Amino acid sequence: EAGVTQSPTHLIKTRGQQATLRCSPISGHTSVYWYQQALGLGLQFLLWYDEGEERNRGNFPPRFSGRQFPNYSSELNVNALELEDSALYLCASGTSGRNEQFFGPGTRLTVL
Amino acid sequence: KNEVEQSPQNLTAQEGEFITINCSYSVGISALHWLQQHPGGGIVSLFMLSSGKKKHGRLIATINIQEKHSSLHITASHPRDSAVYICAVSRGSQGNLIFGKGTKLSVKP
Repeated sequence: EAGVTQSPTHLIKTRGQQATLRCSPISGHTSVYWYQQALGLGLQFLLWYDEGEERNRGNFPPRFSGRQFPNYSSELNVNALELEDSALYLCASGTSGRNEQFFGPGTRLTVL
Repeated sequence: KNEVEQSPQNLTAQEGEFITINCSYSVGISALHWLQQHPGGGIVSLFMLSSGKKKHGRLIATINIQEKHSSLHITASHPRDSAVYICAVSRGSQGNLIFGKGTKLSVKP
């Protein structure tokens, strides 16, 4: 069974640009969670999508947004990139109502 | 104060030593998770607990719900155990995990 996949592996952008990160969950999982891990900081919750709807949002500005597609894959969009957005972005998938989450390998975003 | 606190922040051990990492939380939870993160960044789920104790190979995880405390033990530590160990909690309907800051473990041969 394939695990959670994320693309791209690395992404380099300049300040003010937009970044799009993608995540494909494990087959059968309906929930996708996005987390940010900035250098030297712990993991922070960004967004939770389930069955195509945004279910919960962490303490991040509106320029962090996303969506979930009918096949349950998900996109995270970061607009007006700032230097401090440089981080490892991790996606996890699971099933609503169940606690277990499975993590993807992450996308490392560098903002210059 | 963080909702999930881990200690120690850094831990250096000699190969073969018994290791304990502690996690305390201050919120109601539906489950507690122990995760392992290697330098490449990927995260592996080691345990998910809602009560009692679980064992997998040389790893043991315990949780005391009344005291809101969990421990991760590694017996007969090995250099390949070197990684960051992260405690996280689930809060049921909120869906997302809340993470501790992690414990960086280095096991020397």
